[in-house]
Amino acid sequence: NAGVTQTPKFQVLKTGQSMTLQCAQDMNHEYMSWYRQDPGMGLRLIHYSVGAGITDQGEVPNGYNVSRSTTEDFPLRLLSAAPSQTSVYFCASSQAGTGVPEQYFGPGTRLTVT
Amino acid sequence: GNSVTQMEGPVTLSEEAFLTINCTYTATGYPSLFWYVQYPGEGLQLLLKATKADDKGSNKGFEATYRKETTSFHLEKGSVQVSDSAVYFCALQGGNKLVFGAGTILRVKS
Repeated sequence: NAGVTQTPKFQVLKTGQSMTLQCAQDMNHEYMSWYRQDPGMGLRLIHYSVGAGITDQGEVPNGYNVSRSTTEDFPLRLLSAAPSQTSVYFCASSQAGTGVPEQYFGPGTRLTVT
Repeated sequence: GNSVTQMEGPVTLSEEAFLTINCTYTATGYPSLFWYVQYPGEGLQLLLKATKADDKGSNKGFEATYRKETTSFHLEKGSVQVSDSAVYFCALQGGNKLVFGAGTILRVKS
């Protein structure tokens, strides 16, 4: 049981380049989300999904796209990287429904845009 | 909107000292409250949670009580260890969405 996996662990991009951050989970969780972590600002929600084919914007969605074609995978696409997107990105998953499901986090991707 | 405010760090303590990290929140309705911990180079892990007023969450010697009257969820531990050095995040949850505080760095010296 791998939990939530993210690739790559580190990435350096030049301004204007595009790339996809991968996230996968093997717990059959309906809910998946992407956060970015910046010093002094905690984690901020970028996009989230409540199931395959359903996505929605979080607090800071500009410059990022997502899709959810399967339950397991939730990739995050940077269309044209900017230095302001230098950050650590975390993917998380949880069960949906009633109650207070625990969110499980991946190990993170550290992205630098020069 | 929902928000979480944590005390600024870093907090530096000697081993076996008492720890308090303050957390207050603003929310509509009755959110659930969490403390997450991030060890160096790792993702976040759930440390403890409380789902209603006066609930006390506890784990690994850490405790926090959901205080609705003061809108607080302060994290405490009676005797910290070097291995507790990490970043601690207070968070609240409305639906499936988590709102995080800025995080507090804890450094414990031997």
